Amino acid sequence: NAGVMQNPRHLVRRRGQEARLRCSPMKGHSHVYWYRQLPEEGLKFMVYLQKENIIDESGMPKERFSAEFPKEGPSILRIQQVVRGDSAAYFCASSPPGPKNIQYFGAGTRLSVL
Amino acid sequence: GQQVMQIPQYQHVQEGEDFTTYCNSSTTLSNIQWYKQRPGGHPVFLIQLVKSGEVKKQKRLTFQFGEAKKNSSLHITATQTTDVGTYFCAGQWDAGNNRKLIWGLGTSLGVNP
Repeated sequence: NAGVMQNPRHLVRRRGQEARLRCSPMKGHSHVYWYRQLPEEGLKFMVYLQKENIIDESGMPKERFSAEFPKEGPSILRIQQVVRGDSAAYFCASSPPGPKNIQYFGAGTRLSVL
Repeated sequence: GQQVMQIPQYQHVQEGEDFTTYCNSSTTLSNIQWYKQRPGGHPVFLIQLVKSGEVKKQKRLTFQFGEAKKNSSLHITATQTTDVGTYFCAGQWDAGNNRKLIWGLGTSLGVNP
């Protein structure tokens, strides 16, 4: 059973470009979470999705950021018109259905904005 | 809003010494989880505590959940260099549909050989 797959592992963008981060959850997992982490800092919750639905996006900036988890295919975190402050590690996690909400993390995407 | 405070932020110990990190929530939790992140790595699940006053052990690691379900601790006995990393607690408030976790800022553990 493959783990949570994130790609790309590293992404370099210039200011004003778009960044598209992909996350394939573990097989059988229907819940996906996106987090942002700055160096030497904790995990900041961004958004929680369940197939085709956004459940909680309270941690995601209102502008330039969007997330989706379509019926088929990976979850996508999209950052439009990136700025230097968007440089960070973005982690995706997934959890299975049921009461045990244990989150399994991908290796992350390191975004660098030049 | 809901917050989880975690202390200390950093701790360095000599190999063989004990280590403890503490988490406190502003409100009662449904459950609390602990994760470990190695330098350059991603968080890895360690354990989940659900019941009031629960104590669980994993080899040299002891996890406790307070009676009021507002605080938790992780204690490592006789640290080893393989224990190096950042330990995060993460609390869940809503036992229903919202499975969002609120994360502490983590305790970074360094171990001198």
